[in-house]
Amino acid sequence: DIQMTQSPSTLSASIGDRVTITCRASENIITWLAWYQQRPGQAPKLLIYAASTLQRGAPSRFSGSGSGTEFTLTISSLQPDDFATYYCQQYISYPLTFGGGTEVEVK
Amino acid sequence: QVQLQQSGAEVKKPGASVKISCKAVGYRSTAYYIYWVRQAPGRGLEWMGIVNLRGTTRPTSALEFRGRLALTTDTSTDTVYMELSNLRPDDTATYYCAGGAADFLDYWGQGTPVAVSS
Repeated sequence: DIQMTQSPSTLSASIGDRVTITCRASENIITWLAWYQQRPGQAPKLLIYAASTLQRGAPSRFSGSGSGTEFTLTISSLQPDDFATYYCQQYISYPLTFGGGTEVEVK
Repeated sequence: QVQLQQSGAEVKKPGASVKISCKAVGYRSTAYYIYWVRQAPGRGLEWMGIVNLRGTTRPTSALEFRGRLALTTDTSTDTVYMELSNLRPDDTATYYCAGGAADFLDYWGQGTPVAVSS
């Protein structure tokens, strides 16, 4: 199974901050990577797929980059709605696997 | 806009089975899959399996659930069912169905909480 490791596990930030979350895969997944946002008590929501393609309807302040084994999710200017937990997921092979999550909390 | 409508919360005893439904509304593509993902309280996301909404390909499930997980499709109502048997207390989680065509999950159901306790 491909292991996905996110860092940090918790991130404290303020409104307007630039935020970067890292996701590492245990083997080469090319760009078969998605990012999800999950607010408390809600289902996850797709933000980015193919490592850098913004899902329709997702705000443009979210961007993704990377290939191979290292990927990043960046929020260019943190907004109140962005305090949530973010997960990466590889989909190059089964079983589909997720990172452990990064909680973005209020500083 | 695709919507996935899940059945309601369940409380089960250890050793019992639970069957959750997920009805797909508004999808267009014939190559559409329903994925099952669960989330234990305070924990991350865990993929369980995948089934084709048209029922044309065999379901695939994660190794740890094989023998306990059954994924079926009712093509007449565009509803997918996930049945997990021989429940244990550590199966307590919120179970989500999610839809997509390429193994990333475009749309999610609202989640179905399942509590397993004696």
